[in-house]
Amino acid sequence: AQKVTQAQTEISVVEKEDVTLDCVYETRDTTYYLFWYKQPPSGELVFLIRRNSFDEQNEISGRYSWNFQKSTSSFNFTITASQVVDSAVYFCALSEGYGNTGKLIFGQGTTLQVKP
Amino acid sequence: DVKVTQSSRYLVKRTGEKVFLECVQDMDHENMFWYRQDPGLGLRLIYFSYDVKMKEKGDIPEGYSVSREKKERFSLILESASTNQTSMYLCASSLWSRGGFFGPGTRLTVL
Repeated sequence: AQKVTQAQTEISVVEKEDVTLDCVYETRDTTYYLFWYKQPPSGELVFLIRRNSFDEQNEISGRYSWNFQKSTSSFNFTITASQVVDSAVYFCALSEGYGNTGKLIFGQGTTLQVKP
Repeated sequence: DVKVTQSSRYLVKRTGEKVFLECVQDMDHENMFWYRQDPGLGLRLIYFSYDVKMKEKGDIPEGYSVSREKKERFSLILESASTNQTSMYLCASSLWSRGGFFGPGTRLTVL
């Protein structure tokens, strides 16, 4: 069965600290996609990244970086030099198979609080 | 600017009432989804639709139904609301390369 686990329920850091959000997934498929979303206090989910199972290159976008390791079934998200505006709930999600289904399996979410 | 809108941000209903949650997207997407968000459980898929008048059950469809009469509109229906349906409901439409677009959510309280 497909499953996404975000073991960290809540993380609190002080501004400018680096923080890593963990995501571990389970799937039997060889083709799948992994996502990260941010949910600020306003409630609307914001798409951050999509990665397919054949692309294990790490990605960096500004202060955000993602580390995908198939060997450990992990897709971790690091925020460098965190800012107060990064405070939000972050979700990792999994979508299996080919094609544009858009069906996602979400982790439980990690609440990040960045204090000034 | 692309948009997914939901009819209400906050809704309070009584047990046994019929509840309609409306979702409209202006991106001409074929796929639309209803998720439910609960603390500690993340988001769970209730129903989705690949086209007008088509629907498929997600992981937790019990107690819910849906309607998709027009491409841009996807409605979630609680036939007889119960207190365990108190939750945040999120609608989404799918643009594959962007991971989907989500509405702002409707926080439903059933008393």
